[in-house]
Amino acid sequence: DTGVSQDPRHKITKRGQNVTFRCDPISEHNRLYWYRQTLGQGPEFLTYFQNEAQLEKSRLLSDRFSAERPKGSFSTLEIQRTEQGDSAMYLCASSILYRDYTFGSGTRLTVV
Amino acid sequence: AQTVTQSQPEMSVQEAETVTLSCTYDTSESDYYLFWYKQPPSRQMILVIRQEAYKQQNATENRFSVNFQKAAKSFSLKISDSQLGDAAMYFCAYRSFLTSGTYKYIFGTGTRLKVLA
Repeated sequence: DTGVSQDPRHKITKRGQNVTFRCDPISEHNRLYWYRQTLGQGPEFLTYFQNEAQLEKSRLLSDRFSAERPKGSFSTLEIQRTEQGDSAMYLCASSILYRDYTFGSGTRLTVV
Repeated sequence: AQTVTQSQPEMSVQEAETVTLSCTYDTSESDYYLFWYKQPPSRQMILVIRQEAYKQQNATENRFSVNFQKAAKSFSLKISDSQLGDAAMYFCAYRSFLTSGTYKYIFGTGTRLKVLA
């Protein structure tokens, strides 16, 4: 059990560019979650995957955001045409059934 | 909708002393779970302690304990014998069920705990 892995750890991008983050959950966990944490706030729920199916999407997930989880393994979160307001830490978590989440260490996005 | 409020942005405690972090929440549900998470500089959210609302007994995990007051919707965390490694952001969280059959966490804004040597 190597935990939840997120890559990259930090990403700096220019406004208007596209960025993609990757999350590798714990191998036997079929549930995967993305959260966003802005400065001075707690994490906020973005989306949920059960295996490869995206079953929940928050209103925070605008049209510029897309998430995938092909084959029910790793997941990617893409942000198109980044804006300064997208600057935040993006956390991934995984779980199995109703057990507690295991969080990753996040990807910190800075849009300049 | 459920809400979680942490009114202490920052707290300090001397090493080996005791500190209490406050949290209040609002919900119309009668059965639910509450959590305290720790976020050190490494950024990973680490579960500290969990409380099930139907249990009257306050949860305890080693040096960490909670004071759960269901009627007052209050859920405070007490850290005894504070250690330098306890320094971190602490988030109070409410577990909210989703229609798809899973759940999400609703987090407060956090309390930064400083431990003074």
